Amino acid sequence: QKEVEQDPGPLSVPEGAIVSLNCTYSNSAFQYFMWYRQYSRKGPELLMYTYSSGNKEDGRFTAQVDKSSKYISLFIRDSQPSDSATYLCAMSFTGTASKLTFGTGTRLQVTL
Amino acid sequence: GAGVSQSPSNKVTEKGKDVELRCDPISGHTALYWYRQSLGQGLEFLIYFQGNSAPDKSGLPSDRFSAERTGGSVSTLTIQRTQQEDSAVYLCASRRSPEGSNEQYFGPGTRLTVT
Repeated sequence: QKEVEQDPGPLSVPEGAIVSLNCTYSNSAFQYFMWYRQYSRKGPELLMYTYSSGNKEDGRFTAQVDKSSKYISLFIRDSQPSDSATYLCAMSFTGTASKLTFGTGTRLQVTL
Repeated sequence: GAGVSQSPSNKVTEKGKDVELRCDPISGHTALYWYRQSLGQGLEFLIYFQGNSAPDKSGLPSDRFSAERTGGSVSTLTIQRTQQEDSAVYLCASRRSPEGSNEQYFGPGTRLTVT
């Protein structure tokens, strides 16, 4: 079983919809939680960063972390065709090395 | 300012040849990471540098893989005697410092194809 599980999709939604992307994890020692967006043949772009539990909002994006359930979410409001990409969750322990452990990514398609 | 840059963007090589991949981190970032992204395995950690030292090499898949960092800046990942299973996108990421926030910023990657 992978440490981080993420539904690969693809997820297809109409423009303007609210999108919910999720990851579950098994290691309760993870403390840093991130969401990256990756367009085809590009590097991952950091979207949201959260330390420990709670919510964080940035424009149309909201990240939620529920450490008791080992579950993290990314919500995208008023989705746009330009949001079509693969979304990767990532997490790490505290400490100096802090390598990221990634989910497999969810491919999102926002249609007109 | 400039982000993480990597070169070459694409590399095609024959099985058995050696390849070198280069990463230029964001200026002032002391921590540098290499990851590999392949269809079957997703995005996996390879090695971490703090300054010119590599305290975590646990992700290197075999002794054919090595990396170095010089001047606390540029890093080179070397793969010797390449195999077809080495075909993947190799990504470099940098982080401001090893303390505090773990925000890692990625480069565009080098797509390696071993024929």
